Amino acid sequence: GAVVSQHPSRVICKSGTSVKIECRSLDFQATTMFWYRQFPKQSLMLMATSNEGSKATYEQGVEKDKFLINHASLTLSTLTVTSAHPEDSSFYICSAIVGAGRDEQFFGPGTRLTVL
Amino acid sequence: AQRVTQPEKLLSVFKGAPVELKCNYSYSGSPELFWYVQYSRQRLQLLLRHISRESIKGFTADLNKGETSFHLKKPFAQEEDSAMYYCALTTGGYNKLIFGAGTRLAVHP
Repeated sequence: GAVVSQHPSRVICKSGTSVKIECRSLDFQATTMFWYRQFPKQSLMLMATSNEGSKATYEQGVEKDKFLINHASLTLSTLTVTSAHPEDSSFYICSAIVGAGRDEQFFGPGTRLTVL
Repeated sequence: AQRVTQPEKLLSVFKGAPVELKCNYSYSGSPELFWYVQYSRQRLQLLLRHISRESIKGFTADLNKGETSFHLKKPFAQEEDSAMYYCALTTGGYNKLIFGAGTRLAVHP
């Protein structure tokens, strides 16, 4: 149980376009989802915390207008990279927690974004 | 500010040797500490957490508040232990995880 999926696994886009990444909890309802960014050979950096039905909380230095997060249901959160540029190329990982006292984060497999 | 430090990028050992992956943290309150592992081509997964005080796959980690450390140890490394290991802390609330830079463990036959 507690499986988190991400779609797509890889995406290549042209500079200036927008890209949407989906994060789904497959067998549980996730009260909270997190979005991370991981550069090559570096650690995961938390970008934002997403709670179902409310606005995401962004970490310092993360542009909320650049990285739009929507958590419309208890099983789906989306991250949209708007007007993508080559420096946005990275590995984006989501995680989800069940809540209600169970705080273990379950991670998705990640999405590799390459902006040309 | 909260911070997690893993001083070693790579730890290379032979099979059967003891392993210690270092982790130090800075936080003025009482954090929860975790070790996550990422095997090749797999997603990040929880290995163990300090409040559980359990041994997973032969690994243990003890929280030392005096030294603000949470080192991961295993007495006899196995080749299948080769992976990327991340130390992380959370300060409660929305359970935000702050990760260290990670240590790659390579266990050679």
